[in-house]
Amino acid sequence: EPEVTQTPSHQVTQMGQEVILRCVPISNHLYFYWYRQILGQKVEFLVSFYNNEISEKSEIFDDQFSVERPDGSNFTLKIRSTKLEDSAMYFCASSEARQGGADTQYFGPGTRLTVL
Amino acid sequence: QKEVEQDPGPLSVPEGAIVSLNCTYSNSAFQYFMWYRQYSRKGPELLMYTYSSGNKEDGRFTAQVDKSSKYISLFIRDSQPSDSATYLCAMSDILTGGGNKLTFGTGTQLKVEL
Repeated sequence: EPEVTQTPSHQVTQMGQEVILRCVPISNHLYFYWYRQILGQKVEFLVSFYNNEISEKSEIFDDQFSVERPDGSNFTLKIRSTKLEDSAMYFCASSEARQGGADTQYFGPGTRLTVL
Repeated sequence: QKEVEQDPGPLSVPEGAIVSLNCTYSNSAFQYFMWYRQYSRKGPELLMYTYSSGNKEDGRFTAQVDKSSKYISLFIRDSQPSDSATYLCAMSDILTGGGNKLTFGTGTQLKVEL
């Protein structure tokens, strides 16, 4: 069964450093998402991406964050200058985005980001 | 008022019990409702999704939506120890160009005891 994959599974970085989290969405999916989950809190939407541009973003997704689809398979989340409060699990998700149908999103296993 | 409310538990039940998990929501624009299961330090795994009010059954799982009360439920019959996980409700509003952000509840932690 196709699945969303993410690398690395765990990333440790120093405050102020840049990190890039990588995702490979399901191959025939057209919409891509990033969510985050701070330990003990709920999963929160960060950004959605369609047709090579951001379609929606949350208040959390400020200028420190960016997303990119550098090739036909990868989808990345970059945090330019990490802060302690960026420590969280980051989940990538993808969906088929069928017109007139439910947007069933499939999640990857997550990248645990620890900022020291 | 939070958009989606979900009792965090923990909920502990004996093996074989019927489990009822619930969420309420305030945003009447929500039209799509999902239940995800999340094991510790893993990604959410889609269990059920529903669009309309009423019941949808899949094996031991039944999802129920009552849009008039803004209330959704997930029932698990014949619960097993392997069902022990956190159950997240999630919802989104009507698709426009396709794709949409999900708003999650906090998750209910379920433990099924032998």
